[in-house]
Amino acid sequence: KAGVTQTPRYLIKTRGQQVTLSCSPISGHRSVSWYQQTPGQGLQFLFEYFSETQRNKGNFPGRFSGRQFSNSRSEMNVSTLELGDSALYLCASSLGRGNSEQFFGPGTRLTVL
Amino acid sequence: AQSVTQLGSHVSVSEGALVLLRCNYSSSVPPYLFWYVQYPNQGLQLLLKYTSAATLVKGINGFEAEFKKSETSFHLTKPSAHMSDAAEYFCALNAGGTSYGKLTFGQGTILTVHP
Repeated sequence: KAGVTQTPRYLIKTRGQQVTLSCSPISGHRSVSWYQQTPGQGLQFLFEYFSETQRNKGNFPGRFSGRQFSNSRSEMNVSTLELGDSALYLCASSLGRGNSEQFFGPGTRLTVL
Repeated sequence: AQSVTQLGSHVSVSEGALVLLRCNYSSSVPPYLFWYVQYPNQGLQLLLKYTSAATLVKGINGFEAEFKKSETSFHLTKPSAHMSDAAEYFCALNAGGTSYGKLTFGQGTILTVHP
């Protein structure tokens, strides 16, 4: 089975721009979760989608949004980028139950200048 | 609210020595617990998970962890460290119920293995 894929792997943007990141889950997985990883804050949960519905959301401003398509692929969008949004963005897919292990993609490294 | 605390941001061991990475959790409900490993410039790889079956959980690459409810701990161990074990390790918790897809992570422990 193919693993979780994320595109692009690297992005450089400037403040004020917006960005869209993409995640393709493992075949058969209907849940996709997104995380932000920074040296200062560690790994923080952004949101989770299951069957095209957002089921859970972390404590991030509304500039961070996401969606999921009928094929379970997911995108996250960050608008009006700030320097502090520079981070590794990881997505993970799972079967969607609490005890389900999450399988992570390699991440998208976003740098905001 | 749930939280995970990893004691020791850096752990250094010699090759062949015991690896012990500490994780304590706080949860108002019985949690599901996970250990992940991250190599540089990569995503997270699952080592093992605890889901209320056996308290001693065996994972990949010779790692295991023991769930101790009385101590609210889920420490990760490996009897003999290899150079290839050098990486960052994360303990994570899911509180089940409506905590869909949400993992709460500890701050991570960087493991260094000396020859």
